[in-house]
Amino acid sequence: GAVVSQHPSWVICKSGTSVKIECRSLDFQATTMFWYRQFPKQSLMLMATSNEGSKATYEQGVEKDKFLINHASLTLSTLTVTSAHPEDSSFYICSAPGRSSYNSPLHFGNGTRLTVT
Amino acid sequence: QKEVEQNSGPLSVPEGAIASLNCTYSDRGSQSFFWYRQYSGKSPELIMFIYSNGDKEDGRFTAQLNKASQYVSLLIRDSQPSDSATYLCAFGGGELFNTGTASKLTFGTGTRLQVTL
Repeated sequence: GAVVSQHPSWVICKSGTSVKIECRSLDFQATTMFWYRQFPKQSLMLMATSNEGSKATYEQGVEKDKFLINHASLTLSTLTVTSAHPEDSSFYICSAPGRSSYNSPLHFGNGTRLTVT
Repeated sequence: QKEVEQNSGPLSVPEGAIASLNCTYSDRGSQSFFWYRQYSGKSPELIMFIYSNGDKEDGRFTAQLNKASQYVSLLIRDSQPSDSATYLCAFGGGELFNTGTASKLTFGTGTRLQVTL
């Protein structure tokens, strides 16, 4: 079964509104989670690293004030896309390592397809 | 300069044949290597991971790692139509990432595999 649960699986919103995406680790605690974005026919691009109890670490070029990340518990990280615009339409995927170790494989949520109209 | 290179394909193989997927990476310090399968519109799912030079077999899948040449490959034996998907290679660890904590992964753009009847 899925070890990482992501919700919602798809969302359509109007330009200028905000959207929250939840990522939960099932059956394990995740002090670190990763948020990726994937545009059509492109690879996954890391947006930020979500750290439980501390600020997220954003990749270069990702606006931290636009993509708000909260990791308030060991099993939940949220990504809020604020003031969404059509260019934010993408496939957002969260992931977590099965165990907090250097080389641990990542398990991915089912992704959230965001469409901004 | 791309960090991970994959042939985008499509790679077409007949059912029952061996599919060979290749990936090269630039960071010599990379420690962990992963192959993910992604069906259209879905999030990636882990196929295999490999940390040491040589071959690692799991069912119909064999991952091969050559750190000196900086490439990793995935062989799929007895290819089935259900194997048709995009295969993403990813690497983690190395000098670009923190040690002792869950490592970020860098993904290639993926190779699209088509298994024909």
